[in-house]
Amino acid sequence: DAGVTQSPTHLIKTRGQQVTLRCSPKSGHDTVSWYQQALGQGPQFIFQYYEEEERQRGNFPDRFSGHQFPNYSSELNVNALLLGDSALYLCASSLSGPGQGGTSNQPQHFGDGTRLSIL
Amino acid sequence: AQTVTQSQPEMSVQEAETVTLSCTYDTSESDYYLFWYKQPPSRQMILVIRQEAYKQQNATENRFSVNFQKAAKSFSLKISDSQLGDAAMYFCAYRSFMEYGNKLVFGAGTILRVKS
Repeated sequence: DAGVTQSPTHLIKTRGQQVTLRCSPKSGHDTVSWYQQALGQGPQFIFQYYEEEERQRGNFPDRFSGHQFPNYSSELNVNALLLGDSALYLCASSLSGPGQGGTSNQPQHFGDGTRLSIL
Repeated sequence: AQTVTQSQPEMSVQEAETVTLSCTYDTSESDYYLFWYKQPPSRQMILVIRQEAYKQQNATENRFSVNFQKAAKSFSLKISDSQLGDAAMYFCAYRSFMEYGNKLVFGAGTILRVKS
């Protein structure tokens, strides 16, 4: 049973560039969330995707965008990279439930993350 | 907005001893979920234990247990018989019960060191 997989593991970019990070959810999961974890800090919620739509969004600028595909995999795109975007980007998946918009009480399962370094 | 505070940046424990990690949170909601996650150097966030706020009984998972004090908005994690493999960063997290979606709000984390 494959868990959450993220690619690439590590990425180096320069200021102003654009980056795309990828996530495949755990088998059977249909909801994907993205988090940014700066060094030595707790993860911060970026956004969540369900049924190919952005369901919930944290306090991040429009430079951060995403997409969910019919197979539930997801991409996180960041444009016009800044030095402050250097962080570990975590993807988490979960199974939707009977709540509004698929909200459920199921826990989120995390991937190993993508370490993004901006020079 | 909900906030989670972990006031202990770092804790140490001797192997086989017991350690308690603290967490407080702020919310106006009456129903919610609380979690403890473990993040070893391998980076993967691993769920340790969860607590539903409507349950009065404290959750336990083998050597891990919580002390949930709803009125005080406190949610501490107790690790008994500590093992070297318990060394990691531990995060306390909150999730709304009513909010559309299920985003997690994390604390800043506590580094746990286990001495042999």
